[in-house]
Amino acid sequence: QLQLQESGPGLVKPSETLSLTCTVSGGSISSSSYYWGWIRQPPGKGLEWIGSIYYSGSTYYNPSLKSRVTISVDTSKNQFSLKLSSVTAADTAVYYCAREPSYVDYWGQGTLVTVSS
Amino acid sequence: QPVLTQSSSASASLGSSVKLTCTLSSGHSSYIIAWHQQQPGKAPRYLMKLEGSGGYNKGSGVPDRFSGSSSGADRYLTISNLQSEDEADYYCETWDSNTWVFGGGTKLTVL
Repeated sequence: QLQLQESGPGLVKPSETLSLTCTVSGGSISSSSYYWGWIRQPPGKGLEWIGSIYYSGSTYYNPSLKSRVTISVDTSKNQFSLKLSSVTAADTAVYYCAREPSYVDYWGQGTLVTVSS
Repeated sequence: QPVLTQSSSASASLGSSVKLTCTLSSGHSSYIIAWHQQQPGKAPRYLMKLEGSGGYNKGSGVPDRFSGSSSGADRYLTISNLQSEDEADYYCETWDSNTWVFGGGTKLTVL
């Protein structure tokens, strides 16, 4: 059974960079035809796609966040990562990693990141 | 880029059925979508992939009470024999040109 687990700091200061890692177990991140993505959910609000990375390494970002987002993959560790720069309070959210064979079919449990000084 | 529209809330009685709707924007009526369930305080869970033809493929462990159907630009999620644990937020999702989009979600209350 595929499992995804997010990890990273739960508190980030304004203007700094948010960094999260998703560790994939029960399957290879190098498997063909899968995207691996990040999705967030501000408290009490809906889901927002942040960006995705294809198994080949190609990246795709939400246009509204593109200037601040970097997604990368480390196949040796079966992990992929998210960096979001210049964060503000509006970036406070639960961040989920996910597998996407086009649509999301596996979700991580999510991790709350609070932006506050 | 497609836009997905969902009603903000729905309610139905325990043991009854409910049909939730996700509407694709103009020009995108043939798109495949996915339905996800998010119970309170939990991560979303993939329910099914739903095609414009009405065919659907459910995720592992999704009860038979959950089914999908389509009509034009509308994609439906029907839950039969409602249980208390079905009280949740339901989101639809689609994708186009390496961009993913979620609907605003429907909060389902089981009375």
